[in-house]
Amino acid sequence: AQSVTQLGSHVSVSEGALVLLRCNYSSSVPPYLFWYVQYPNQGLQLLLKYTSAATLVKGINGFEAEFKKSETSFHLTKPSAHMSDAAEYFCAVSLMIYNQGGKLIFGQGTELSVKP
Amino acid sequence: KAGVTQTPRYLIKTRGQQVTLSCSPISGHRSVSWYQQTPGQGLQFLFEYFSETQRNKGNFPGRFSGRQFSNSRSEMNVSTLELGDSALYLCASSLGQGFRGVNTEAFFGQGTRLTVV
Repeated sequence: AQSVTQLGSHVSVSEGALVLLRCNYSSSVPPYLFWYVQYPNQGLQLLLKYTSAATLVKGINGFEAEFKKSETSFHLTKPSAHMSDAAEYFCAVSLMIYNQGGKLIFGQGTELSVKP
Repeated sequence: KAGVTQTPRYLIKTRGQQVTLSCSPISGHRSVSWYQQTPGQGLQFLFEYFSETQRNKGNFPGRFSGRQFSNSRSEMNVSTLELGDSALYLCASSLGQGFRGVNTEAFFGQGTRLTVV
């Protein structure tokens, strides 16, 4: 069965510091991988996606993620945190199987705090 | 281009009642998925509709149902509400093309916050 694990439910960084949010997946078939961000009382916004092209994926707001098949990981990074990055971040997987592509499986989320 | 619209944004219902939530996808999108978000269980997939047919279903009781209309708008219904149904219900739309229904980019609405008292 496929699953997503996000290491650390809360991460705190200082403004200007590196942001690293960890995501590991388990899948028996090649996955599509996504990172979403959620601000309070809002829906989810797509940050970036991996769809079997380049393994290093650049997204919006300066975020990027690297797909590492050998480590089954898809960690999210940003070189320099801004106060506006404080939010909850979700890693998700969907599968290249017949009729399963429309289903997203989410990790438990990581709440990012940014200290001034 | 208008985004995904969910109505209403907030709802308060009493145990035992039923509720209907609505989702209007982005124009041209044929796939609509529904998710339940709670602090304890996180984001859980309810079901997906594509061209008026349920294509995928999560592990929820039969009290949770949905449908999709010919214009791709979707509704979900929860009957005999329980306290544990209190959650943020999110709708996502995507093109959903191809036999795999590959979801390469899902756009989410702002959600409907349901409180059951």
